[in-house]
Amino acid sequence: DAGITQSPRYKITETGRQVTLMCHQTWSHSYMFWYRQDLGHGLRLIYYSAAADITDKGEVPDGYVVSRSKTENFPLTLESATRSQTSVYFCASTPLTDFRTDTQYFGPGTRLTVL
Amino acid sequence: AQKVTQAQTEISVVEKEDVTLDCVYETRDTTYYLFWYKQPPSGELVFLIRRNSFDEQNEISGRYSWNFQKSTSSFNFTITASQVVDSAVYFCALRGLQGSGNTGKLIFGQGTTLQVKP
Repeated sequence: DAGITQSPRYKITETGRQVTLMCHQTWSHSYMFWYRQDLGHGLRLIYYSAAADITDKGEVPDGYVVSRSKTENFPLTLESATRSQTSVYFCASTPLTDFRTDTQYFGPGTRLTVL
Repeated sequence: AQKVTQAQTEISVVEKEDVTLDCVYETRDTTYYLFWYKQPPSGELVFLIRRNSFDEQNEISGRYSWNFQKSTSSFNFTITASQVVDSAVYFCALRGLQGSGNTGKLIFGQGTTLQVKP
């Protein structure tokens, strides 16, 4: 039962480079999310996806691109990394089949540093 | 608009003390869900509890208890007889049925860092 995994776990890159963070879940959950965690802000939603080929912006989408060609994968791309994108990124998923009982499950996080 | 406020940025207690973490939320939704997550020093997010807006019963799980009060829009978390292993960042989160457009999006508070000293 692998659950939800993220890769890489740690990444250092330079300003202006393109970076892709991977997220994979084995539960076939419909909904997937990308959050970033910054001190003083908690977790903020970047993008989410309701199903394959359906994505939408969250609270802080600028500078990020997502795709979802397969239900189990939800990559997040920083097209031209900036220092302000230094953060810890969490991927999450939920089946959302029963709103009363569904819980969001989080991956282990990716710590990204942009120099 | 939906918002979650955790006014306590950091709390430090000595082992065996009781500690309460505050969470205040704002939403116009009539149906909503509140969550607490724990983030230990290892960094992962661990789900602790989910509470539905129509169920105001308090809940106890071992040393953990949660006090949900709709009248004050609060969902506070108490750890009784704290232990060093309770040291972590704790997040309160909100999911509104209408405000989130049935997408399951979570609105997080800023987090409270709890340090339990031996």
